[in-house]
Amino acid sequence: QQQVKQSPQSLIVQKGGISIINCAYENTAFDYFPWYQQFPGKGPALLIAIRPDVSEKKEGRFTISFNKSAKQFSLHIMDSQPGDSATYFCAASRRGSARQLTFGSGTQLTVLP
Amino acid sequence: EADIYQTPRYLVIGTGKKITLECSQTMGHDKMYWYQQDPGMELHLIHYSYGVNSTEKGDLSSESTVSRIRTEHFPLTLESARPSHTSQYLCASSGLAGSRTGTQYFGPGTRLTVL
Repeated sequence: QQQVKQSPQSLIVQKGGISIINCAYENTAFDYFPWYQQFPGKGPALLIAIRPDVSEKKEGRFTISFNKSAKQFSLHIMDSQPGDSATYFCAASRRGSARQLTFGSGTQLTVLP
Repeated sequence: EADIYQTPRYLVIGTGKKITLECSQTMGHDKMYWYQQDPGMELHLIHYSYGVNSTEKGDLSSESTVSRIRTEHFPLTLESARPSHTSQYLCASSGLAGSRTGTQYFGPGTRLTVL
């Protein structure tokens, strides 16, 4: 059972455009929602994260929007750059079970120069 | 940047060999994790540990085993490697005790190929 659904599977945007990746979750016990960025041959790196008590969090060009009632959250990358080309994973965790992360299936982002 | 290390980075071995993938972290984190990931695909949790002498199996069934004798060290062992074990193995750690979020920090991964 996939508890975190991520879309789209791949995304191509022009330099300077906005990249938007969406995730939906099922388990209402989730209380922490990070986004990870992964370059080929590297481990995932934490990009930005949010807790459900806020509806939006912004760090530089990266913004998470969170809709608790709809059980959805999204990553917006403003002014997308070729260096942003990577695979992005949303994830969710809850208390207990060593705070295991449940990952989405990933979005391969390509930013064209 | 997280201080979590994995060795080897790449490993090509023959079927039936015993292998150990090493993972160490210097952040004093109590929790550690092993994930399996095919290239560009979803991460699947195969083992995790709350702390020393604590290990649990993850959601994805795996023939591998783990041990946690020291806080900083979480090796993964395959007693008899098979081609179906070919994948990337990622180690992660999180949480000083009492951390509310459990942010996980990942190592660079070990790319395993079993011939």
